[in-house]
Amino acid sequence: NAGVTQTPKFRVLKTGQSMTLLCAQDMNHEYMYWYRQDPGMGLRLIHYSVGEGTTAKGEVPDGYNVSRLKKQNFLLGLESAAPSQTSVYFCASSYSSGTNSPLHFGNGTRLTVT
Amino acid sequence: AQKITQTQPGMFVQEKEAVTLDCTYDTSDQSYGLFWYKQPSSGEMIFLIYQGSYDEQNATEGRYSLNFQKARKSANLVISASQLGDSAMYFCAMRERSSGNTPLVFGKGTRLSVIA
Repeated sequence: NAGVTQTPKFRVLKTGQSMTLLCAQDMNHEYMYWYRQDPGMGLRLIHYSVGEGTTAKGEVPDGYNVSRLKKQNFLLGLESAAPSQTSVYFCASSYSSGTNSPLHFGNGTRLTVT
Repeated sequence: AQKITQTQPGMFVQEKEAVTLDCTYDTSDQSYGLFWYKQPSSGEMIFLIYQGSYDEQNATEGRYSLNFQKARKSANLVISASQLGDSAMYFCAMRERSSGNTPLVFGKGTRLSVIA
């Protein structure tokens, strides 16, 4: 029972470098999300997707891009990393957008930008 | 304005005692859902309990219960008989019907420490 899998688990980048975080889910969920978690800030939504081929901006989308080419995968890209993007990134998925549909989370990716 | 407010950055509780973690929310929707998640030191986010706005009974899941007071817009998490393994961050979250496909909005969390 893999659920939501994020790779990598840890990454250190230098300012200006790029990288892609991969999220894969095996629950056939339509909806997928990327959040970032910073101390004292809770979880803030970066981007989300309501189905294959769709993406939408969340609360803090600047500096990130996403793609959902396949239903099971949701990629988060940083084109030119900045120290302000040092954070823990969580991917999540849900079966529906109904008010009773919980999010299922991956284990997170800890990113440090120096 | 914040949608979800958790006013307790940190809480301590003695093992085997009950503890209440506060959560207030802001919405003009009639239909919404409230969720609590636990994040232990290992970092994963664990879904604990759900309460729908139309549910007349407070939700319960094992030692977790949700004290839902709709008029006061509060959805406090009650953990009974605390255990050392309950030490973690706890997040309250909400999803509103009117926001369509908008995902969960989270509060800033409360760190619970259970003392032996």
